[in-house]
Amino acid sequence: DGGITQSPKYLFRKEGQNVTLSCEQNLNHDAMYWYRQDPGQGLRLIYYSQIVNDFQKGDIAEGYSVSREKKESFPLTVTSAQKNPTAFYLCASSPLAGWSSYEQYFGPGTRLTVT
Amino acid sequence: AQTVTQSQPEMSVQEAETVTLSCTYDTSENNYYLFWYKQPPSRQMILVIRQEAYKQQNATENRFSVNFQKAAKSFSLKISDSQLGDTAMYFCAFSPGGGADGLTFGKGTHLIIQP
Repeated sequence: DGGITQSPKYLFRKEGQNVTLSCEQNLNHDAMYWYRQDPGQGLRLIYYSQIVNDFQKGDIAEGYSVSREKKESFPLTVTSAQKNPTAFYLCASSPLAGWSSYEQYFGPGTRLTVT
Repeated sequence: AQTVTQSQPEMSVQEAETVTLSCTYDTSENNYYLFWYKQPPSRQMILVIRQEAYKQQNATENRFSVNFQKAAKSFSLKISDSQLGDTAMYFCAFSPGGGADGLTFGKGTHLIIQP
């Protein structure tokens, strides 16, 4: 089955530690995205990548970092510089051509709790 | 920068009724895409319907249809014959055309279908 996987589903970390969230897709999509969701809020864009070895900051990139070494993978690191890291994190991917271009397909999400 | 506004934080209707969720947006773009996503309690984001701004015809997917008013920058979602499984958060989202710079989401409407 084609899709997007995020692991783990729940993640707990101590304050001051960096943590990396995994996102893998086998849809052969060019673009990948990271969003953050807080209670009562819509999704906000953290980082996105349209091609391997290239990525751009979204609206709330401070305190986060990403890499795109393979087309299938787009891990997100939440650094200790992120002031309020506890949130639900969603990864998405999108084809950039064809009928469904720009539609985003989402993974199941990772709930990160930092104490 | 684009903004998306959903003015109804929560709505509740009886099963089998028709319900309309509102969305307005602000953009200086002429070419863009609009989406409605559903997020059930599982928190998996599911695409409900999409609309290309250059198309005058309103999109329809089974019981779901939109009323797209480009001049008014309005994009409402109508759900006919509502079902218990329609209970979810619904997010309106905007994407500029010609690129893949990520979606801008509204804050969502919590729709509750009562038996």
